[in-house]
Amino acid sequence: GAVVSQHPSRVICKSGTSVKIECRSLDFQATTMFWYRQFPKQSLMLMATSNEGSKATYEQGVEKDKFLINHASLTLSTLTVTSAHPEDSSFYICSAPVQTRGYTFGSGTRLTVV
Amino acid sequence: QQQVKQSPQSLIVQKGGISIINCAYENTAFDYFPWYQQFPGKGPALLIAIRPDVSEKKEGRFTISFNKSAKQFSLHIMDSQPGDSATYFCAAGDTGRRALTFGSGTRLQVQP
Repeated sequence: GAVVSQHPSRVICKSGTSVKIECRSLDFQATTMFWYRQFPKQSLMLMATSNEGSKATYEQGVEKDKFLINHASLTLSTLTVTSAHPEDSSFYICSAPVQTRGYTFGSGTRLTVV
Repeated sequence: QQQVKQSPQSLIVQKGGISIINCAYENTAFDYFPWYQQFPGKGPALLIAIRPDVSEKKEGRFTISFNKSAKQFSLHIMDSQPGDSATYFCAAGDTGRRALTFGSGTRLQVQP
C-alpha cells in the first residue's frame, strides 16, 4: 500500500524544450507532494512542496517559473521543467507523506538535457 | 536547525563484518528518523525507521540505535553482504508535516 507511481523513469530532451514529470498516488490520497532533485553522488535536496488545490512552496534558490508544479487533484502532482538546459539534468524524485507510516517515494526520473 | 549530518562519506567493509553509519540532527521537532538505501538509478527505498520513544529498533540484519539526549542515531548492518553495497541516507522528519531532511549519504562497499 501507499504507492506513488512516477513517470517517465528516463527522459532525454533537447535544450530549450519542456519536460513534464508525473507522480500519481495509486492507493491513497496525496494532499501533499514533495519534489526533490538529486545530482550525481549527492543527497536529495528538496525543491518544492505542493499541496492539492494551492500554489506550491519553493525552496530558496529554486526558480518557480522554471520548475512549474501542479497539484490539481488528490492523486496527481506534476513537475514541468520549462526551457530545460543541460544544467537541469538530474534525478528528480517525488515523495508523499503517508499517515502513521512516514513517507513514500516515487522511483525517480532521470532527466538528461542535450 | 534543519541540518542532518551524516558520516562517514564512504565505507568499505569485508563480507560478514558490521557496517556502522552515524547521523546527528539539530532540530528537536524531528520525531521520525528513517534510513534509506539507494542503488544507482533508483529511488531511495526505506530500510528501517525509528521514533524517539525507543532507543533501538531491529529488523533482520539492520538495527537503528537512537540517542535522544545526544541527538544522534546510527545504522548498524550486521553480517554485511556484497548485495548491501549501495548508498545509504539517514533522514529526519516531523511525521509528514514537512519534507524529510536528508543526510549527505554514505557509499558502502562490501568486499567479498
